[in-house]
Amino acid sequence: GAVVSQHPSRVICKSGTSVKIECRSLDFQATTMFWYRQFPKQSLMLMATSNEGSKATYEQGVEKDKFLINHASLTLSTLTVTSAHPEDSSFYICSAGIDSFNEKLFFGSGTQLSVL
Amino acid sequence: QKEVEQDPGPLSVPEGAIVSLNCTYSNSAFQYFMWYRQYSRKGPELLMYTYSSGNKEDGRFTAQVDKSSKYISLFIRDSQPSDSATYLCAMRGGSQGNLIFGKGTKLSVKP
Repeated sequence: GAVVSQHPSRVICKSGTSVKIECRSLDFQATTMFWYRQFPKQSLMLMATSNEGSKATYEQGVEKDKFLINHASLTLSTLTVTSAHPEDSSFYICSAGIDSFNEKLFFGSGTQLSVL
Repeated sequence: QKEVEQDPGPLSVPEGAIVSLNCTYSNSAFQYFMWYRQYSRKGPELLMYTYSSGNKEDGRFTAQVDKSSKYISLFIRDSQPSDSATYLCAMRGGSQGNLIFGKGTKLSVKP
């Protein structure tokens, strides 16, 4: 299957700082990448859809100024959690489809964010 | 009623057992059904992908979709300790629609 690389796998930061998470498609080009958030024992919740060369589409209730998404190339999307607070602590996962229809999604290994 | 319901478990079985994992859903527009396996603190891995009703087999894994009952299943034959993980069902309406996930069922296969 296709490989999606996500870094860092774990980050601990102080409240008020910003954290950047990278998502790369290693062996394919992804015009669209997706960012999810997962709380313990909960399902994955779609936060936003990242489109190469254009603005991201955010799901209802997700603050776009809080979660900045940049998709500058066909293989890289970044999620920046700005002015992080303890309630932002969660598991963040990116995914990408291997074709333009995004029928089958392949996921990164996730990033565990802990805000102190 | 939530769009996708999945029993979180945990489900514990002995090695070699047949495992049955299930999800129900309420949206009759769902046509694409997937099962993902997620190890602790890792991203989900696509296991099975099916369209509409019917069965699909891949090695020890069999996915079943019953659209009339809005019920999907994943069967694991000859379960192994390495199958211990959380299994998430996911589904969508059109081929490009948002993927809706179940909460996942945590499976433990004991040696």
